[in-house]
Amino acid sequence: DQQVKQNSPSLSVQEGRISILNCDYTNSMFDYFLWYKKYPAEGPTFLISISSIKDKNEDGRFTVFLNKSAKHLSLHIVPSQPGDSAVYFCAASAKNSGNTPLVFGKGTRLSVIA
Amino acid sequence: EADIYQTPRYLVIGTGKKITLECSQTMGHDKMYWYQQDPGMELHLIHYSYGVNSTEKGDLSSESTVSRIRTEHFPLTLESARPSHTSQYLCASRSGTYNEQFFGPGTRLTVL
Repeated sequence: DQQVKQNSPSLSVQEGRISILNCDYTNSMFDYFLWYKKYPAEGPTFLISISSIKDKNEDGRFTVFLNKSAKHLSLHIVPSQPGDSAVYFCAASAKNSGNTPLVFGKGTRLSVIA
Repeated sequence: EADIYQTPRYLVIGTGKKITLECSQTMGHDKMYWYQQDPGMELHLIHYSYGVNSTEKGDLSSESTVSRIRTEHFPLTLESARPSHTSQYLCASRSGTYNEQFFGPGTRLTVL
């Protein structure tokens, strides 16, 4: 059973507009969430994270929102740029998980159209 | 800047060959991971380690093996490569629950 779900395999957005990538989780023990960006033939790079004590974290054009009651988080990119075209992975971990690895979603491919 | 390295970046080999994919990190992280990813597909965890002399199998069954003799080094070995092993292999490391996980650049393996 998938604990972290990214239900949209792909998303297309016009350059300059907002991109919203969504992620849902089922494990209520998750309390730390991360977003990664991946280009083909490269390793994923860390974008932004949020802990469950917050509902928003912002870093430049990237903002992550967390809705704990809905077990939902989203990544907003504004304004979107062609260089943002990549696959975005959502990941989660739990404080008491010990050595349990991060749980990743399946990813969403974002295409920003010029 | 992440200090995690993978070699080789690209490898093309014939069926039946033994290969070792190297992964090293200079951050002193205890936790290290190997993922397999086919183009455009999800990340599959194949091995991980909590520290020296600890290795665990991941979610995806893999014919590869790993070792962790030193903190900074986590090599992955395929005893007899097959075309089904063709994929991208990503190594990662992490220091704790509330810390980001750093990925290496990956090794693109093609088995003919």
